[in-house]
Amino acid sequence: DIQMTQSPSTLSAFVGDRVTITCRASQSVSGWLAWYQQKPGKPPKLLIYKASSLQSGVPSRFSGSGSGTEFTLTITSLQPDDFATYYCQQYYSYLTFGPGTKVDIK
Amino acid sequence: QVELQQSGPGLVKPSQTLSLTCDISGDSVSSNSAAWNWIRQSPSRGLEWLGRTYFRSQWYNDYAASMKSRITIYPDISKNQFSLQLNSVTPEDTAVYFCARGTPSMVGPFDYWGHGTLVTVSS
Repeated sequence: DIQMTQSPSTLSAFVGDRVTITCRASQSVSGWLAWYQQKPGKPPKLLIYKASSLQSGVPSRFSGSGSGTEFTLTITSLQPDDFATYYCQQYYSYLTFGPGTKVDIK
Repeated sequence: QVELQQSGPGLVKPSQTLSLTCDISGDSVSSNSAAWNWIRQSPSRGLEWLGRTYFRSQWYNDYAASMKSRITIYPDISKNQFSLQLNSVTPEDTAVYFCARGTPSMVGPFDYWGHGTLVTVSS
């Protein structure tokens, strides 16, 4: 199985900050990586697929990059609605999720 | 707009079968461009993909290796829904269960999700 790790596990930031979350895979997943945002009591929401493609309706302040084993999710100018937990997901070989990164208010 | 509405019991006894259903609106369970998945989430195991069903001239299933011996996911075309059955449950199967739409070509990603059902395994 492909294992996913994320760093940091928790991130404290101000509204307006630029935020970067890193996701690493235990082996190459090529570009088959997605990012999700989840708020308490809600299902995950797809933000990014194929490493850098923005899902329809998602604000352009979200962007993804990377390939192989290392990927990043960047949020430029963090908004109040962005405080949530973010998960990466590889779908190169079946499917595994990362453990999540919680973004909270500093 | 696709909507997925989940139903099923929130409490299951150990050794019994967990059964959940996901009603689809705005798409078809028989669509050639969709796959219908079950995922669960618990504090101890995080988000865990369980399996999927999809139609591509015939019905297919894929299951997570850890679930293969006790999981069944199947469609009901007449009701436009799909269901999860997980046999021989233990307290470790306590989780929030989600249904979600993906694509047949790869297991992920998932663009529409159900609201989630908390299932507790306890006597």
